[in-house]
Amino acid sequence: QKEVEQDPGPLSVPEGAIVSLNCTYSNSAFQYFMWYRQYSRKGPELLMYTYSSGNKEDGRFTAQVDKSSKYISLFIRDSQPSDSATYLCAGGAGGTSYGKLTFGQGTILTVHP
Amino acid sequence: EADIYQTPRYLVIGTGKKITLECSQTMGHDKMYWYQQDPGMELHLIHYSYGVNSTEKGDLSSESTVSRIRTEHFPLTLESARPSHTSQYLCASSEHREAGNTIYFGEGSWLTVV
Repeated sequence: QKEVEQDPGPLSVPEGAIVSLNCTYSNSAFQYFMWYRQYSRKGPELLMYTYSSGNKEDGRFTAQVDKSSKYISLFIRDSQPSDSATYLCAGGAGGTSYGKLTFGQGTILTVHP
Repeated sequence: EADIYQTPRYLVIGTGKKITLECSQTMGHDKMYWYQQDPGMELHLIHYSYGVNSTEKGDLSSESTVSRIRTEHFPLTLESARPSHTSQYLCASSEHREAGNTIYFGEGSWLTVV
């Protein structure tokens, strides 16, 4: 079993839709979680960083973590064509393991005008 | 915006050649990482460093080697490239402390071995 499982998609939504991207994880040592956006042939760009259960909002993006069910989500409101990209979730443990992220396989999102 | 740079961005080389992928960051970060990403697949950690003269292998076995002689520089070397090494290599860095930190990635180096 992979440590981080991500809904494979791909997702195709109309402009303005609310997008929900989801991941589950199995490693109880994970303390923090990240969502990255990756455009084709580019490096991952950090969108959200969360360190505890609950919601974190940044503009049109909301990250949700439920450590009891080992479930993380990213919501995108008022989606735009420029949001079309691959979205990666990742989990990491603390201490000496900090920075050693375990990634999901990514969800390809297309927002069409 | 992250100040982490990778060169070359794209490279096509023949089997058996030695190559070095360069990675530099200007943020003074102690920790640096190399991830490998095959098309459509997850990123996997292949090397990391917590500071000068510190290097460790990651979760995914790799025939590449790394060095960390200067804080800002973390090159990756393949002594004899093979077609199985064809992949995207991503360099990343982060500060030493945990809370509130982010891990920044470079743009990646796309390697094709023919």
